[in-house]
Amino acid sequence: ELKVEQNPLFLSMQEGKNYTIYCNYSTTSDRLYWYRQDPGKSLESLFVLLSNGAVKQEGRLMASLDTKARLSTLHITAAVHDLSATYFCAVERALNFGKGTSLLVTP
Amino acid sequence: GAGVSQSPRYKVAKRGQDVALRCDPISGHVSLFWYQQALGQGPEFLTYFQNEAQLDKSGLPSDRFFAERPEGSVSTLKIQRTQQEDSAVYLCASSLVGSVADTQYFGPGTRLTVL
Repeated sequence: ELKVEQNPLFLSMQEGKNYTIYCNYSTTSDRLYWYRQDPGKSLESLFVLLSNGAVKQEGRLMASLDTKARLSTLHITAAVHDLSATYFCAVERALNFGKGTSLLVTP
Repeated sequence: GAGVSQSPRYKVAKRGQDVALRCDPISGHVSLFWYQQALGQGPEFLTYFQNEAQLDKSGLPSDRFFAERPEGSVSTLKIQRTQQEDSAVYLCASSLVGSVADTQYFGPGTRLTVL
């Protein structure tokens, strides 16, 4: 059974700080996705990572993939309040999601 | 362009009632997925269609759940004899088969509350 684990599950960080969210998965997968979900809203695609060593950046967010370690990271640089949301990683075509990381950015 | 739409957005059902949830995927998207998201949890896969063919229904929790996509476009998720544990947000997603990334685009969801 494919398991996807994210940590931390909750993260409170100050504006301007950096932090990393981790996503581990239990079996080989050829693709990994990061999604963002605002309260009461649906999921918004952030990144798709398809190969070992893949790195993608969009604004203050950067995602990377290490398929050998079965690990993806989502790095937040100089956090701003607008980044407050829940972030999910997911693997495989029929997406297997982690439990999500609820991020709160405070002044 | 238009994204994935779902209706109704909210549905309240009494236990034992049947419900039908509709999903209109992005035009031209071949693949369609249904997910169930309980409060505070990540979405869980229910079923997958490619055109009108249901290729994977391994995530459907019981035989009370049934999904169809008869013409390869609009899909309906039907839940018979609803139970309280069926209360969740039901998300539909579509993707364009053939693209390398195969990103799924999600609809706004239908929040089902079973009393």
